[in-house]
Amino acid sequence: QQQVKQSPQSLIVQKGGISIINCAYENTAFDYFPWYQQFPGKGPALLIAIRPDVSEKKEGRFTISFNKSAKQFSLHIMDSQPGDSATYFCAAPLLPNNAGNMLTFGGGTRLMVKP
Amino acid sequence: EPEVTQTPSHQVTQMGQEVILRCVPISNHLYFYWYRQILGQKVEFLVSFYNNEISEKSEIFDDQFSVERPDGSNFTLKIRSTKLEDSAMYFCASSEAPSGSSYNEQFFGPGTRLTVL
Repeated sequence: QQQVKQSPQSLIVQKGGISIINCAYENTAFDYFPWYQQFPGKGPALLIAIRPDVSEKKEGRFTISFNKSAKQFSLHIMDSQPGDSATYFCAAPLLPNNAGNMLTFGGGTRLMVKP
Repeated sequence: EPEVTQTPSHQVTQMGQEVILRCVPISNHLYFYWYRQILGQKVEFLVSFYNNEISEKSEIFDDQFSVERPDGSNFTLKIRSTKLEDSAMYFCASSEAPSGSSYNEQFFGPGTRLTVL
């Protein structure tokens, strides 16, 4: 099974700054790495995801950088806004070949963007 | 936009009591999941369900837990005899059936907060 380790646990960024959250995984056989965003009282929602055939994926202000050799991937939030304040989880398939389509989550990063 | 719904939003129960958490997955989805999140901790996989049977389950999903799709729309998680440590947020999720090794996005419901006293 897959384990993912996420850091930092919490992050405070000024409005307009860059938020960076890191995630490390164990098994290189896995090929799908999503980031989920969770607001208080809500379920996790898919924010952006990457497959390891590319090193970077950008969607608006959100970018995933993927380093296959280091078995790490990170989320960058450019021009961070107070509305980005949430908990962010990295995730990976729980089993090889995405069997069963199940996820294992990192420990989460609580992001606070100060106005 | 279709969404996963869960009821109740908050359930308080006494230790040893049975609880049933309910979920209505997105209508054209075929894979259903339950996850739980103990306060302040990460989201943990419990069980997946496909074609009216359990597909995978974690170590957490012991004999006290069961899942059922009693009709064409609901998906339920039953805890037979709740323990204090079952207190958590329980999330239901659903997805389209995976195609080969491709991963399909899971859509999460808002969760049911279970408090065991």
